[in-house]
Amino acid sequence: DAGVIQSPRHEVTEMGQEVTLRCKPISGHDYLFWYRQTMMRGLELLIYFNNNVPIDDSGMPEDRFSAKMPNASFSTLKIQPSEPRDSAVYFCASSWTGGEKLFFGSGTQLSVL
Amino acid sequence: DAKTTQPPSMDCAEGRAANLPCNHSTISGNEYVYWYRQIHSQGPQYIIHGLKNNETNEMASLIITEDRKSSTLILPHATLRDTAVYYCIAVNGGSQGNLIFGKGTKLSVKP
Repeated sequence: DAGVIQSPRHEVTEMGQEVTLRCKPISGHDYLFWYRQTMMRGLELLIYFNNNVPIDDSGMPEDRFSAKMPNASFSTLKIQPSEPRDSAVYFCASSWTGGEKLFFGSGTQLSVL
Repeated sequence: DAKTTQPPSMDCAEGRAANLPCNHSTISGNEYVYWYRQIHSQGPQYIIHGLKNNETNEMASLIITEDRKSSTLILPHATLRDTAVYYCIAVNGGSQGNLIFGKGTKLSVKP
């Protein structure tokens, strides 16, 4: 099993540009989570999906952030336009129904200049 | 979900047992105690979880007090690779969306 796969590992962009982060969950998992981690705020849950449907997006900081899950094997987190305060590590995680055992990807280190 | 309290940092000598405490005095009857860890530059990793009984797996042991108000994660023979931030989380069963990570305990294993 390849685990949760995120791309890119590192992203450097300029303020105002659109950023798209990608995630492939573990096959068979029906929950997918997007987290953001910064030194100041720690690990924050942004949004999670169940069977490709967004369940709770209350953690999404503002309208500049959007997430989609078009099928069971792919999800994106988009920031448009990006701002320097969006600089963080973004993690994707997946799990199956009935358990809180989340499997995390290696994260995307985003730097917005 | 119940709030958990952990010491911000701990040291442990390599080869010795690391005992990481967690206080969850407001935990309710159907809340599990979960432990994750995060090694530098990696995503969090599940370690172990329990409800009432003590649990053991290949990574660690979890000791939960009888009143369930606190627990201890035990790494029996700590290695340098166990240096990480350890998170204790109390969460209702079936509530994947409520895994809220606090600040955790930074464990430093020293030679």
